Amino acid sequence: SQQGEEDPQALSIQEGENATMNCSYKTSINNLQWYRQNSGRGLVHLILIRSNEREKHSGRLRVTLDTSKKSSSLLITASRAADTASYFCATALLSNQKVTFGTGTKLQVIP
Amino acid sequence: DSGVTQTPKHLITATGQRVTLRCSPRSGDLSVYWYQQSLDQGLQFLIQYYNGEERAKGNILERFSAQQFPDLHSELNLSSLELGDSALYFCASSAKQILTDTQYFGPGTRLTVL
Repeated sequence: SQQGEEDPQALSIQEGENATMNCSYKTSINNLQWYRQNSGRGLVHLILIRSNEREKHSGRLRVTLDTSKKSSSLLITASRAADTASYFCATALLSNQKVTFGTGTKLQVIP
Repeated sequence: DSGVTQTPKHLITATGQRVTLRCSPRSGDLSVYWYQQSLDQGLQFLIQYYNGEERAKGNILERFSAQQFPDLHSELNLSSLELGDSALYFCASSAKQILTDTQYFGPGTRLTVL
């Protein structure tokens, strides 16, 4: 199964609300990245958090990492219709030179 | 715009055929990655090249091959195509050779095998 699995699979919220999505993984990682994908388009890198970091911010994005629980969360504050997209976590393992993408959370922000 | 270009945008072909997908990385990036995204398999890492040499291999089928040329552009060759090969194929690039580096994705090539 996938190294990274996002939850929920789909999320629908009103504009202005916060959106939280979670990623769980199975083995120890070097870093974890979040990407956004608009329908049928390429992925856009959002943020990278290293295994020795617990929290990181970038604009309206806040990412946390709990290595003891092998999980990460992405919080988008004050959501906008333009945030409508799929969000993927990607876990990186230097030991086997692999990056694995999760199954994604489909976020819909209703204006 | 990530700076990564991919051609063609769309490709429709028949089973048994062979196609070539092309990718030009961002200026200065030495690593190129290929991914396949389908509805049932999600986003799968296929292969990585760094400065012309294969660096890492993922779930790439034997019918698929790739190479990176001296000018750093890359091609992904898919042969003996099957219906199940229909998917979006993405190329990404990064500055360094390590897989953990931030990757910049191209717009993708949508392959339809009929």
